[in-house]
Amino acid sequence: NAGVTQTPKFRILKIGQSMTLQCTQDMNHNYMYWYRQDPGMGLKLIYYSVGAGITDKGEVPNGYNVSRSTTEDFPLRLELAAPSQTSVYFCASSFWTGVFRDTEAFFGQGTRLTVV
Amino acid sequence: AQTVTQSQPEMSVQEAETVTLSCTYDTSESDYYLFWYKQPPSRQMILVIRQEAYKQQNATENRFSVNFQKAAKSFSLKISDSQLGDAAMYFCAYRNLDYKLSFGAGTTVTVRA
Repeated sequence: NAGVTQTPKFRILKIGQSMTLQCTQDMNHNYMYWYRQDPGMGLKLIYYSVGAGITDKGEVPNGYNVSRSTTEDFPLRLELAAPSQTSVYFCASSFWTGVFRDTEAFFGQGTRLTVV
Repeated sequence: AQTVTQSQPEMSVQEAETVTLSCTYDTSESDYYLFWYKQPPSRQMILVIRQEAYKQQNATENRFSVNFQKAAKSFSLKISDSQLGDAAMYFCAYRNLDYKLSFGAGTTVTVRA
């Protein structure tokens, strides 16, 4: 079972460069999330999506963009990389069945991004 | 916005002993979920246990159990019979009906042999 797959696992960017972190899930989950984890810290929500075509900002959206054209994919775009975006990025997904029932969130392995 | 607070940056426990991790949260909602996730050095996030706020009974999963105090907005995790494989960072997380899953800053658990 693939679950949530993130690529790449590691990346070094120069200041001002752009890149897209890929995330795909094969569980037909409607909810998808992007988090960043700074060293020794908890996870902060960047963006989330409740279904294809619907996205919304989390706690720290500045400097990032997302899209959700399909149920499976939820890419995160960094347009002008800055050193403050050095972090580990996690994608996650979960399924909402309605009537206040849902699954746990499944996480990808993370992408370690360094901006120099 | 919901706030999840873990006041213990680090905890150390002797193998086979018990350790309790604290978590408090701030919310005005009555229905929500609470979770404990484990993050070993591999970075993988692993669900340890979950609790639905409308259930009064505390959740248990083998050696892991919670003490859920809804009125106090407290959700502690007890690890019994600690094993070397329990060494990891543990995150408390909160989710309500607006879909957002919010995390605390984490507690690093060290297990001494």
